[in-house]
Amino acid sequence: EVLLLESGGDMVQPGGSLRLSCAASGFTFSNYAMNWVRQAPGKGLEWVSGISASDGATFYADSVKGRFTISRDNSKNTLYLQMNSLRAEDTALYYCTKAQYGGVYAYCEYWGQGALVTVSS
Amino acid sequence: EIVLTQSPGTLSLSPGERATLSCRASQNVNTIYLAWYQQKPGQAPRLLIYGASTRATGIPDRFSGSGSGTDFTLIISRLEPEDFAVYYCQQYGSSPRTFGQGTKLEIK
Repeated sequence: EVLLLESGGDMVQPGGSLRLSCAASGFTFSNYAMNWVRQAPGKGLEWVSGISASDGATFYADSVKGRFTISRDNSKNTLYLQMNSLRAEDTALYYCTKAQYGGVYAYCEYWGQGALVTVSS
Repeated sequence: EIVLTQSPGTLSLSPGERATLSCRASQNVNTIYLAWYQQKPGQAPRLLIYGASTRATGIPDRFSGSGSGTDFTLIISRLEPEDFAVYYCQQYGSSPRTFGQGTKLEIK
C-alpha cells in the first residue's frame, strides 16, 4: 500500500522559513517522480513543484520560484520542500503526491493527507 | 502557462442523473497529459482519469473522460450519492502543471 505522510507544517511569520517533509512507503521511492500541490483554505488546487526520479530535475510554479526548493533523499524515501521568504498567500494545505513513473510529464497518482502551513503575524 | 477553465462552477443534480463536466484549455493539450481528480470535503484529492480517457485503478465505469485539443469532458453516467464532490482537471504536459478551478457537483 502506497503511503505518503507529510510533516513539518506550522504557523510562521511573514518572511520566515519552513521545511516540509514527506515520508514515502509502499513503493520503490527512487523510481518515481514526486510533486507538491497546495490548496489554500476554501480554494482550488495549485501545483507547486515537481522533481523527477532519475536526474532529479526540478520544476516550480512561478509563484514560488526562487523562494521554494524541492529535493529528495532516496536513501531515506523522503521528499522535501524548503520554503523561504514566506508570504501570507502561501498559507495552504500542502499535499505530497506520487507520480505514475519517474519522468516529469506525470499526473498525481497518489496523494498524502497534507501538511498545513499558516503564514501570519 | 496553460489556463484550464472548468464549467459549470456548480452543477446541481439528483442521484441517478447524468453529469457532464467541461474543462477548456487556453492552448492545445496533448491528450495523454490530461487528468481528472475528485475531492470530497476534508479529504485529499483522488485520481479518477488520466490520459484524458483512462480510468485509474478502482474507478467505477460510470466515470468516463473524453476530448482532445482544448476541450475535455468528464461524464458520470448515473450519479451515486458518493459522487457529489468537487472535480478538478489538470494538464501535466507543460510546465507549470496547472489545474482548473474546479466544478462542485451538489445534490439537487
